[in-house]
Amino acid sequence: DAKTTQPPSMDCAEGRAANLPCNHSTISGNEYVYWYRQIHSQGPQYIIHGLKNNETNEMASLIITEDRKSSTLILPHATLRDTAVYYCIVRVADSGGGADGLTFGKGTHLIIQP
Amino acid sequence: NAGVTQTPKFQVLKTGQSMTLQCAQDMNHNSMYWYRQDPGMGLRLIYYSASEGTTDKGEVPNGYNVSRLNKREFSLRLESAAPSQTSVYFCASSDSRDRGREQYFGPGTRLTVT
Repeated sequence: DAKTTQPPSMDCAEGRAANLPCNHSTISGNEYVYWYRQIHSQGPQYIIHGLKNNETNEMASLIITEDRKSSTLILPHATLRDTAVYYCIVRVADSGGGADGLTFGKGTHLIIQP
Repeated sequence: NAGVTQTPKFQVLKTGQSMTLQCAQDMNHNSMYWYRQDPGMGLRLIYYSASEGTTDKGEVPNGYNVSRLNKREFSLRLESAAPSQTSVYFCASSDSRDRGREQYFGPGTRLTVT
């Protein structure tokens, strides 16, 4: 899997949009971008994933640049409960039906300020 | 639906002791995983199982063994615990047939080896 680069920490005011960047300049054509988050001491939680089109679900939006070398996770109205470590992960689209693990970096520690 | 459950939640071992960490999922997933997370770090894959009856090594398998007991259960065994195995252990599961193959994580087992 390709390597990703994220800022170690970010602050955001409660109620504002939190924009978390991720660089993945060596991403391959068959690799998706995934985002997970880990709230203190809990297991990671899936947020969203995408290939090249922008994606939105009930939790967040994912914006992927046209060249696919970077992406941004957007939490539209951050709350205190969104304080967590956010991991950007690139991963092959098709595991051939088999299992494949996730490669976690250190992620971005997002702190939502009241 | 309990999702992914892990037992025990906490464990303290002396160097050289053995123990088995248990994991079960009720989502009918075919793939299961064991990760470890050291302080301030991302998760690292220890072993995974693509389906019942198969297991494969991940990034850090040394000192561990696994058993895929049935489709629901995947256990991790430390035969002779070492202080370097002090960590938080997470189990996860996924359905490799799902397009997103998102992984669902358990709450973790906090292991201290003295």
